[in-house]
This record gives sequence, C-alpha cells and structure tokens, in this order.
Amino acid sequence: KQEVTQIPAALSVPEGENLVLNCSFTDSAIYNLQWFRQDPGKGLTSLLLIQSSQREQTSGRLNASLDKSSGRSTLYIAASQPGDSATYLCAVRDEAAGNKLTFGGGTRVLVKP
Amino acid sequence: DTEVTQTPKHLVMGMTNKKSLKCEQHMGHRAMYWYKQKAKKPPELMFVYSYEKLSINESVPSRFSPECPNSSLLNLHLHALQPEDSALYLCASSQHYRVDQPQHFGDGTRLSIL
Repeated sequence: KQEVTQIPAALSVPEGENLVLNCSFTDSAIYNLQWFRQDPGKGLTSLLLIQSSQREQTSGRLNASLDKSSGRSTLYIAASQPGDSATYLCAVRDEAAGNKLTFGGGTRVLVKP
Repeated sequence: DTEVTQTPKHLVMGMTNKKSLKCEQHMGHRAMYWYKQKAKKPPELMFVYSYEKLSINESVPSRFSPECPNSSLLNLHLHALQPEDSALYLCASSQHYRVDQPQHFGDGTRLSIL
C-alpha cells in the first residue's frame, strides 16, 4: 500500500530565503504527483501536477522535481514571502489505487518578515 | 477565488438534525468528489461521481448520503451524525475521472456536530 511522507512537518524561514519541501513515496509505480497549498481553514489550491514521465514542472517562483525511481519529489519556492505561509501537501496517484489521491501529512510553512 | 463553490461555509448541527452540504462548479467538469479532513490531517476521500453516477464509495457510513442532480452540482445529505463527524468537508472536481487530470478543490464546509 502506498505511503506518502513529508518531512519536516513544520518549517520556519526568514523572508527571502528559498524554501525546499520534500515528499517521498514508497511505491514508485505512480501516474503522477500533485502539490497543493492549504491556508488555515480553507480548501486546497493545486500548485503543480507532474506526470510520471516528467522530471520537473515550473510555475512562477515554484519548481517541482520528480525522481520516480527513488520515490521523491521536491518543491522549491524561490525568494519566499510571508504570503507563502501555509501548509503544503503532496499527493500521488498510483497503479494500485488508480485515480485515488494518496496524500502526505503536509509541511506547515511559516515565512517570517 | 476558487472555481468550486461550497455552501454553507460553516454549519453547526445537532445529532438528530438533517442538513445538506452543497458544491457547485461551472468549469464543465464531469468528475466530482467529496473529501473529509480532520484537523492537522490530510483529506480522506469519501465519494466520487463520474458523469453524475456514483463511481466510488469509500465505505462511508450511510448517515452520509451523496447526490449529483446534474453535472454542475454535488450535494452531501447529512442525518444523525456523530460528534466524530465534525470536520472540514471538501468538494473537488476534475475534467474527467482520469489519472492525468488535476483535481480542483473548494474552500470547504466546516461542520460541527453538537
């Protein structure tokens, strides 16, 4: 059964520093991996979707990489801002679970001004 | 602003009440989802509708009853809930029920059971 882990569970950085968020998964037979952002008490905002055939996806200050063979994805946020403070979740779809998203526990990020 | 709209934003109900949660999207998506999220935990899938038909029920208790009256609307009918059902209920949609398509989430309904 797929397990998705995000370490650390919480992260605090000063404004301007680059953020590096990690996501690891146990079953490499994935279709894709999706990164989400969640603000307190709100829903999930989709940030990036990386298909299994891709190595990375970029959107503005965000860059996500995928290394399927080692079961890892990294989300980079350049030049962090206080508005980047949120919980970041990764989720995978794999061959065993089909279209069902398996989520990691999330990393809670605080960017201090 | 999210393109998936959920109402109400907050709901407080007693264990004997009947209420409904509503989800609407106008993106032409044909797959819609209900998730439950407890505090500091990731979302858990409850139901999936594809082309207005129930595709997946993740062994959810019958006190939760989903309904998809048309391609834009998804309801979750609640009856005789328990205190442990207090959570954030999230609706999501995707263009089709396919693995290569991202899911788009609403802001959720915060449900409290007294």
